[in-house]
Amino acid sequence: EDQVTQSPEALRLQEGESSSLNCSYTVSGLRGLFWYRQDPGKGPEFLFTLYSAGEEKEKERLKATLTKKESFLHITAPKPEDSATYLCAVQTLYSSASKIIFGSGTRLSIRP
Amino acid sequence: DSGVTQTPKHLITATGQRVTLRCSPRSGDLSVYWYQQSLDQGLQFLIQYYNGEERAKGNILERFSAQQFPDLHSELNLSSLELGDSALYFCASSVEGGGEAFFGQGTRLTVV
Repeated sequence: EDQVTQSPEALRLQEGESSSLNCSYTVSGLRGLFWYRQDPGKGPEFLFTLYSAGEEKEKERLKATLTKKESFLHITAPKPEDSATYLCAVQTLYSSASKIIFGSGTRLSIRP
Repeated sequence: DSGVTQTPKHLITATGQRVTLRCSPRSGDLSVYWYQQSLDQGLQFLIQYYNGEERAKGNILERFSAQQFPDLHSELNLSSLELGDSALYFCASSVEGGGEAFFGQGTRLTVV
């Protein structure tokens, strides 16, 4: 069964304290892996797309990496405005159709 | 602002009723996705349309249906509503059909 698991569920960091969020996946075929940021009461905001193992993408204090089984979202020297829920999603690759499966997210809180 | 417009923003209705949610994608985007987000189940992929045709189906109930019109806007119809259908419903759009989509602000449906 296709599955996406994110850990930890919640993470509290001090401003400037770097850390990583994990997204592990089990799918028959991977078309792409995506990271989103979601603020309370708002729609998810697209951050990154990763397609193949070894690929890395960076944006400001965020860096996403991909292996064959998991992806990491590294956050370097975070600021309070980085507080949000970070969602990982995979798009499966099937001959007839693909599905998009989201993980349950990591709630990140950055204390000043 | 993602460029994706959803209406209405809030909807309160009674059990057994039928509602229609509307989505206007970003200019130039051919693909539209519908998602349901509830507290206990996270973000669930419902269905995807590409240029008017159904492309992929997720966990969409038989009581729910959707369509994409020639002008590319989409509607999600929910019928025989139950209390458990109360959730945030998001629409997202993308240029081709990958997971790097842009989300609207959502419609909050409350079934009483």
